[in-house]
Amino acid sequence: DTGVSQDPRHKITKRGQNVTFRCDPISEHNRLYWYRQTLGQGPEFLTYFQNEAQLEKSRLLSDRFSAERPKGSFSTLEIQRTEQGDSAMYLCASSFSGGGDEQFFGPGTRLTVL
Amino acid sequence: AQSVTQLDSQVPVFEEAPVELRCNYSSSVSVYLFWYVQYPNQGLQLLLKYLSGSTLVESINGFEAEFNKSQTSFHLRKPSVHISDTAEYFCAVSPLSGNTPLVFGKGTRLSVIA
Repeated sequence: DTGVSQDPRHKITKRGQNVTFRCDPISEHNRLYWYRQTLGQGPEFLTYFQNEAQLEKSRLLSDRFSAERPKGSFSTLEIQRTEQGDSAMYLCASSFSGGGDEQFFGPGTRLTVL
Repeated sequence: AQSVTQLDSQVPVFEEAPVELRCNYSSSVSVYLFWYVQYPNQGLQLLLKYLSGSTLVESINGFEAEFNKSQTSFHLRKPSVHISDTAEYFCAVSPLSGNTPLVFGKGTRLSVIA
């Protein structure tokens, strides 16, 4: 069990560019979550998957954001036409729906939009 | 919808002193309650959780939290803190189980002073 991994750990981009983040969950976990955390705030839910199905999206998730989990394993979160307000830590978590109720978090991807 | 209020954004405390981090929640349905900890430059880790049964739950490193339904609170306590407890602590709720999106408070930064 290597834990939840996220890549990259840091991303600096210019406003208007597209960025894509990857999350690799714990291998036996069927649920995968994306959260966003800004300075001084707790994590806020963005979206989550059970296997490859996207079950819920937050109203925080504008049309510029899209997430996929094509084979029910890793997931990608893409932000198109980034804005300075997108600067945040993007957290991924995974869990097993038939097991204990703990979500395991990755280290996050810190996005800075200049 | 659920919301979580952590009343203190920062709590400084001397080493070996007791500490209480406060958490209140609001929900129209029954919830499960969690405390997560984030050490500097690390991801979120589950500290303890209340799902059902005894209202007092304990962690392996000496923290405890008590679920109080009438006061809608889940305060975190430790009788004697160590320098290594310095971290950000997040209270979170989930409407059904830990396998649905979590709603987090804004966090409390605990600073233990030698």
